[in-house]
Amino acid sequence: KQEVTQIPAALSVPEGENLVLNCSFTDSAIYNLQWFRQDPGKGLTSLLLIQSSQREQTSGRLNASLDKSSGRSTLYIAASQPGDSATYLCAVSLNDMRFGAGTRLTVKP
Amino acid sequence: DTAVSQTPKYLVTQMGNDKSIKCEQNLGHDTMYWYKQDSKKFLKIMFSYNNKELIINETVPNRFSPKSPDKAHLNLHINSLELGDSAVYFCASSQDLAGRTDTQYFGPGTRLTVL
Repeated sequence: KQEVTQIPAALSVPEGENLVLNCSFTDSAIYNLQWFRQDPGKGLTSLLLIQSSQREQTSGRLNASLDKSSGRSTLYIAASQPGDSATYLCAVSLNDMRFGAGTRLTVKP
Repeated sequence: DTAVSQTPKYLVTQMGNDKSIKCEQNLGHDTMYWYKQDSKKFLKIMFSYNNKELIINETVPNRFSPKSPDKAHLNLHINSLELGDSAVYFCASSQDLAGRTDTQYFGPGTRLTVL
């Protein structure tokens, strides 16, 4: 059974820092991996979708990488801003979508 | 325009009651989903519907029943509510089955509290 783990559970950084969020999954047989952002009391917003054949995706200050063979993905956020404060979830898809518990990011001004 | 909408946003009810949560998507997607986010923030899939057919049914109690009157709607009916049903329920949609190639788009969530 697919299990998705995210480390760290919480992260607090000063504004301007570059940071990396980690996601690992136990079954490498996936179609894709997605990173989502969840703001308190709100739904999920998809940030990046990486297909199983891809190694990385970039959007603005965000870069996500995927190493399917080792069951790992990272989300790199450059020049963090207070507005980046949210919970970041990764999810892998095969027959359904499995989510990690998320990393709660706080960027301090 | 709201892509995926859910109503109500908050639902507080007594144990034993029957309630429904509605979901609508205006993206023209073929597949819709219901997820439950528990107190530990894990999101777990409950159901997905593709072209009005149930294609995934995780081991949820049969008190939960999804109903899809058309491709744009997937409502969640819950009978005989229990305390453990308290959670945030998210609706989502995607063009493809289980989001194989496409992003899933999520609604804002419905926070259900059972007293």
